[in-house]
Amino acid sequence: DTAVSQTPKYLVTQMGNDKSIKCEQNLGHDTMYWYKQDSKKFLKIMFSYNNKELIINETVPNRFSPKSPDKAHLNLHINSLELGDSAVYFCASSPDRQANYGYTFGSGTRLTVV
Amino acid sequence: ILNVEQSPQSLHVQEGDSTNFTCSFPSSNFYALHWYRWETAKSPEALFVMTLNGDEKKKGRISATLNTKEGYSYLYIKGSQPEDSATYLCAFSSGSARQLTFGSGTQLTVLP
Repeated sequence: DTAVSQTPKYLVTQMGNDKSIKCEQNLGHDTMYWYKQDSKKFLKIMFSYNNKELIINETVPNRFSPKSPDKAHLNLHINSLELGDSAVYFCASSPDRQANYGYTFGSGTRLTVV
Repeated sequence: ILNVEQSPQSLHVQEGDSTNFTCSFPSSNFYALHWYRWETAKSPEALFVMTLNGDEKKKGRISATLNTKEGYSYLYIKGSQPEDSATYLCAFSSGSARQLTFGSGTQLTVLP
């Protein structure tokens, strides 16, 4: 059983389209995150939810909107996709906000905007 | 802005060699330091989470130390094996911002 699963794994889409990436965790964790791997390979925090409540909202264009229907799911919707949105997006979860046992990551979604 | 720096950026060692790399982070308002191992085509996996100054953690041939006063952590691999080849990421969280800020990683290649 995959602990943190993201779909799709690969997404190729045209500029201007709207797309969603889904993330689900079956670990019973309270906290979920979206990270973007930038061109220099850094993982940058985008959003974090704790028990369906948004707790971190970094400086991200408002074309990006997270949605957490329940604590096991954190989806990322992106409107009006731009070339610069091409990146690998990682979902992660932790038992709580302190993350004392580390994050469990999904396998990533490679988004390519053409 | 919280900067986490890792060095070296990449490293090639021979099988059997021991190696170490460094993570430096802001020393003020420290909460936790994480190490992750990231193999190609997989997702990062947590190795250690350290919170106390002077902490040392060990998992098999891999160990890590933490100095929160000067803001650095070392990761050591004893007797490197080809399967240790991966990118090793460190990440820092502060008392106020509990989300992790990641370094760019040290890419280790162990040559047989």
